[in-house]
Amino acid sequence: KQEVTQIPAALSVPEGENLVLNCSFTDSAIYNLQWFRQDPGKGLTSLLLIQSSQREQTSGRLNASLDKSSGRSTLYIAASQPGDSATYLCAAGGNDMRFGAGTRLTVKP
Amino acid sequence: EAGVVQSPRYKIIEKKQPVAFWCNPISGHNTLYWYRQNLGQGPELLIRYENEEAVDDSQLPKDRFSAERLKGVDSTLKIQPAELGDSAVYLCASSLGRKGGETQYFGPGTRLLVL
Repeated sequence: KQEVTQIPAALSVPEGENLVLNCSFTDSAIYNLQWFRQDPGKGLTSLLLIQSSQREQTSGRLNASLDKSSGRSTLYIAASQPGDSATYLCAAGGNDMRFGAGTRLTVKP
Repeated sequence: EAGVVQSPRYKIIEKKQPVAFWCNPISGHNTLYWYRQNLGQGPELLIRYENEEAVDDSQLPKDRFSAERLKGVDSTLKIQPAELGDSAVYLCASSLGRKGGETQYFGPGTRLLVL
């Protein structure tokens, strides 16, 4: 069974800092890996989807990488802003996605 | 375009009572998912529909949970009877349904509290 782990569980950084969130998964036979954002009391918003044949995806200040062989993905956020404060979840698989518990990010003004 | 709609947003019930959640996916999305999210955890898949067919319900506690997706559009998830441990956020998501996994779009969820 796929197990997804996210480290750290929580992260607090000053505004403007670049940061990296980590995601690891146990079964490399995934179809894709997705990064989501969840604001308190809200549903999940998809940020980036990386197909298994891809190595990275970029959207604005966000860049996600995928290394299937090592079972790892990272989400890089450049020039963080207070509005980036949220919980970031990764999910590995395909239709049968397994989620990590998330990293709670706080960006301080 | 409207996103995934869920109702109610909040529900408080006493244990042993029944409860139902409703989901309307994005128009044209053939695949519909129900997830349960416990506090501080990621969502866990309960059931996945491809049109009207439940293709993955392995994580659905079938002794008390049931779901249906009539006509391949709206879906209802029911718990009867509810237990204290069912307190969680129930999320509905949908995707286009092309073969091979694509972006899932989530609704705001229903927050259930069982007393």
